[in-house]
Amino acid sequence: GENVEQHPSTLSVQEGDSAVIKCTYSDSASNYFPWYKQELGKRPQLIIDIRSNVGEKKDQRIAVTLNKTAKHFSLHITETQPEDSAVYFCAARDSGYALNFGKGTSLLVTP
Amino acid sequence: DGGITQSPKYLFRKEGQNVTLSCEQNLNHDAMYWYRQDPGQGLRLIYYSQIVNDFQKGDIAEGYSVSREKKESFPLTVTSAQKNPTAFYLCASSIGLGGYEQYFGPGTRLTVT
Repeated sequence: GENVEQHPSTLSVQEGDSAVIKCTYSDSASNYFPWYKQELGKRPQLIIDIRSNVGEKKDQRIAVTLNKTAKHFSLHITETQPEDSAVYFCAARDSGYALNFGKGTSLLVTP
Repeated sequence: DGGITQSPKYLFRKEGQNVTLSCEQNLNHDAMYWYRQDPGQGLRLIYYSQIVNDFQKGDIAEGYSVSREKKESFPLTVTSAQKNPTAFYLCASSIGLGGYEQYFGPGTRLTVT
């Protein structure tokens, strides 16, 4: 399947700062890139997604950018709050229609 | 929380026994998925189903089996052939395959000793 690499594996920021998580993918036919947030002990939930015909998408404090040429996409969280602390997963849909997930980034926002 | 349920929340089995994990959804979704989550490994796809009576292997299908006899149900059997079955198992569903949001169940933590 598609190879999705995610960096960093852990990220610690102070409240109010920005956080950036980056992912790369290998299948040039991939066209759907969601981001999921998983709080401790809870199920993953979709927070934002982007399709390959769009370069950037924003939803309040969260934004995702996509560079198809370089085959990478990033999650940007601005004005971070303690409740943003969670594990974030990127994913890419490959030509076989399955979602391939990155290994996750554990984000800690300290007050 | 999305209408997708998994049971039980915790499951304990002895090595050599098969065990079946339940996944039910009332979202009228066609596609369903099973993932395995291990620390530091992210979500790895075991099996997925696009429609009733059809399913496909994911990246780590060895030692697992599934069935899709009803739209609402997608049970996963962890067989004795799975070499390292202790893990957290997540079921998900979506309207269809492809670029649709996947809704996850609460997960089942399986421990095999």
